[in-house]
Amino acid sequence: QVQLVQSGAEVKKPGSSVKVSCKASGGTFNNYAINWVRQAPGQGLEWMGGIIPVFGTANYAQKFQDRVTITADESTNTGFMELSSLTSEDTAVYYCAGGGSTSTVIRRVTHYFYSFIDVWGKGTTVTVSS
Amino acid sequence: DIQMTQSPSSLSASVGDRVTITCRASQGINNYLAWYQQKPGKVPKLLIYAASTLQSGVPFRFSGSGSGTDFTLTISGLQPEDVATYYCQKYDTVPLTFGPGTKVDIK
Repeated sequence: QVQLVQSGAEVKKPGSSVKVSCKASGGTFNNYAINWVRQAPGQGLEWMGGIIPVFGTANYAQKFQDRVTITADESTNTGFMELSSLTSEDTAVYYCAGGGSTSTVIRRVTHYFYSFIDVWGKGTTVTVSS
Repeated sequence: DIQMTQSPSSLSASVGDRVTITCRASQGINNYLAWYQQKPGKVPKLLIYAASTLQSGVPFRFSGSGSGTDFTLTISGLQPEDVATYYCQKYDTVPLTFGPGTKVDIK
């Protein structure tokens, strides 16, 4: 099964940006979807957005839409999440999480859909502190 | 966007008890609902998808039901290793929203 290996912990200053990577090992992206989920200390899981690499277009939760960029490099089976304008409230564990995807052709346009998450990276701790 | 709620937010039960957690979507999501278990300090783990399909390797004491807007996760015979927070997640369309979680511990 695919394993997701994330980049290491980061400490950032308020106002800066962070970029976290997620490499799939033991498999390829193919029709996989890469989601980014964060968890602030003592809080629940929060879906930030995702990308289906074969489709190319990322989707974002409204809360993060203005500050997050999710990309994927199919040649290296690596996904990326960049979060800008960091504040202390962005201190959290950021998970890369993989799941399947499906597609449907409607009026000759292919639509892609995310599925449930069945593989999780170990998480990347991002600490924002002055 | 569709909102997900869970109840209760926490519960305490005895070993062997039957435990039921409810998840509700603000609009119908068919059966595009997954349940995850997160033990303290650990990565979340998929338990159930498509509302009622048990992920491979998950003990049979876990079961899921529901469709549309109302879903349940049942643990039939709570075990000490089931102490965790349980999250539901919709995946019919983006955003793939999680419920706020239900913390389960042993009485």
